Amino acid sequence: DAEITQSPRHKITETGRQVTLACHQTWNHNNMFWYRQDLGHGLRLIHYSYGVQDTNKGEVSDGYSVSRSNTEDLPLTLESAASSQTSVYFCASSEEAGSSYNEQFFGPGTRLTVL
Amino acid sequence: AQKVTQAQTEISVVEKEDVTLDCVYETRDTTYYLFWYKQPPSGELVFLIRRNSFDEQNEISGRYSWNFQKSTSSFNFTITASQVVDSAVYFCALSERFMDSNYQLIWGAGTKLIIKP
Repeated sequence: DAEITQSPRHKITETGRQVTLACHQTWNHNNMFWYRQDLGHGLRLIHYSYGVQDTNKGEVSDGYSVSRSNTEDLPLTLESAASSQTSVYFCASSEEAGSSYNEQFFGPGTRLTVL
Repeated sequence: AQKVTQAQTEISVVEKEDVTLDCVYETRDTTYYLFWYKQPPSGELVFLIRRNSFDEQNEISGRYSWNFQKSTSSFNFTITASQVVDSAVYFCALSERFMDSNYQLIWGAGTKLIIKP
C-alpha cells in the first residue's frame, strides 16, 4: 500500500545544530508539504513543492529549507536549530493540482525537541 | 486573507451524547474546498471528508454528519451517539485555489473532543 514515512520519529538536538527531517512517499504524488503543529495553532505550512526541483515558502519558512531532487522525497532542513523550532512536524502529499481530488495524505509526524 | 475559525477549543461530553463541532471560514474565492481531519491520541492525521463550494448537500457517514451552509460560511461536524473512540482533536481546513491551478490548505486551530465513558 502507498504511504508516507517520516524519520526520525523523535529527535532531540541542541541549539545551533543543523537537523534534517526525512519524508518519503510512495503515492507518486507531485505535491508535497511540510507543516509544523503547535498547541493552539493547528498546522502551519513551512514549505511545499509542486514537483521535482520546485520549492516554495509557506507561512512559517524562516529558518527552514527544503529540496526536491525526486518525486518521492522532500527533506526538511533546520539550518541552525532554535528552541522556538521545538514542535511536531508533519509531511503530507497530494495529487497533482488541477484535479478535484486534492486531499492531503499525512505522514506519522516527527517530534523535534531543541534544547 | 482566508481564515478558518474553530471557536470551541475543547468539548467534553458523556458517551452516547450527540456533539457538534463548529467551523467558520472566510474566503473571497468562489471555488474552494472544505475538509475535516481527525487526530486521535496516537497523533496521526486522518482525512474524514472533503466538500467543494458548489455542493451544499449535507453528508452523512454512519454516526458522522456534516452541515455545509454557504450563507453563514460554516461547515459543522456532528457526531451522533458519541463513543469513547471518537475522542480526538478535530481540524477543519479550507483549500483555496492559489497560484494558477494549485491549492493550499488553511487550518483551524482544532477542537479537542473528550468523550467520557
